[in-house]
Amino acid sequence: TQLLEQSPQFLSIQEGENLTVYCNSSSVFSSLQWYRQEPGEGPVLLVTVVTGGEVKKLKRLTFQFGDARKDSSLHITAAQPGDTGLYLCAGAWRDSWGKLQFGAGTQVVVTP
Amino acid sequence: KAGVTQTPRYLIKTRGQQVTLSCSPISGHRSVSWYQQTPGQGLQFLFEYFSETQRNKGNFPGRFSGRQFSNSRSEMNVSTLELGDSALYLCASGQGWSGELFFGEGSRLTVL
Repeated sequence: TQLLEQSPQFLSIQEGENLTVYCNSSSVFSSLQWYRQEPGEGPVLLVTVVTGGEVKKLKRLTFQFGDARKDSSLHITAAQPGDTGLYLCAGAWRDSWGKLQFGAGTQVVVTP
Repeated sequence: KAGVTQTPRYLIKTRGQQVTLSCSPISGHRSVSWYQQTPGQGLQFLFEYFSETQRNKGNFPGRFSGRQFSNSRSEMNVSTLELGDSALYLCASGQGWSGELFFGEGSRLTVL
């Protein structure tokens, strides 16, 4: 049973379109991380959100942490082929920082 | 700053053998975590070491073990390999007081 549920599992869009990935849980996290992973490589950290209601922007990517610190979303504006990859959310608890709870991931494909 | 380095990148073993994987964390990071990634189960936490002590352990059999050295480098060992141990093994390092983990490129283990 996945503690963190990501949706959708797969997303295929055209270059220039927008997309949103959701990450939901019944647990409260001390922090939540978003990663992007490409085939054969390790996940790359995109952002960490800590405060309920927090919004962080990274160029065309916008990350939001829910008020109750149970859910998060990732929004990409004007997607580009370079945004293709597996997007993973991961929650952490204060007493076990190194033990991230990962969602199953959302595979995003952006075609030119 | 050099990233997390894992060796070897690829290895092939046969059932019953054992394997040792190595991880060099980012300089200054005292926490090292290990994860197993498979298509069916996603990313699953194996264990975390902090200052040479195992701080957290996941739900894996005793065939999976690890250790951390005084220079924060870490190794994990899998004994009596099974076909189901075929996976990408990822090492991640962090400062130990946040959920921000930085991953290596992984060691791809194939068990025949």
